[in-house]
Amino acid sequence: EVQLVESGGGLVKPGGSLRLSCVASGFTFSTYSMNWVRQAPGRGLEWVSSITASSSYKYSADSVKGRFTISRDNAKNSLYLQMNSLRAEDTAFYYCVKGRDGEQFCDFDYWGQGTLVTVSS
Amino acid sequence: DIQMTQSPSTLSASIGDRVTISCRASQSISRWLAWYQQKPGKAPKLLIYDASTLESGVPSRFSGSASGTEYTLTISSLQPDDFATYYCQQYNSYSRTFGQGTKVEIK
Repeated sequence: EVQLVESGGGLVKPGGSLRLSCVASGFTFSTYSMNWVRQAPGRGLEWVSSITASSSYKYSADSVKGRFTISRDNAKNSLYLQMNSLRAEDTAFYYCVKGRDGEQFCDFDYWGQGTLVTVSS
Repeated sequence: DIQMTQSPSTLSASIGDRVTISCRASQSISRWLAWYQQKPGKAPKLLIYDASTLESGVPSRFSGSASGTEYTLTISSLQPDDFATYYCQQYNSYSRTFGQGTKVEIK
């Protein structure tokens, strides 16, 4: 059974930093692309960032480019999102999401339960 | 960036109704489109990928189709478990844009 468990969310002040983690199990982590998707409370889904299986390619939404960095450690079956210069509008549930493919653009077939990030003074 | 325009934003329907939700891409996405279902307080769940391929385990009352840049999710006979919010997503480009969502409510 595929499981994606996020951690690292919490309350942070504007301008602060936070690192989200996601531990994966139930599939061969090193062969699939991984993603972060966020959802502000009561709002729609927003793609945040993606990384290919080999970490060769990383992509980010314009709204977080230069502030957020996606990375992975295939030896630890783990995905990360380093979030710097946080703003109030970054407040959201952050979902760790598995891609169907390893290197190609693809759909998202498994989702974690999410971790809440709140940016407020 | 590719924009995805989803309609309607809210839909009221009864059990047994045939329901259709549309998603229009701002440019060609070559059928690289997925549909997700999300219930309150839960993570989204994949229903359909590549515009019309049903994800394993998803009931056959769900189907997807495409015509040009217009994509449609159809629920052939609405069931109580189907009241939820539905999102389309394109993955033709690195920026995996979502539609704004369609909430299916009980009429």
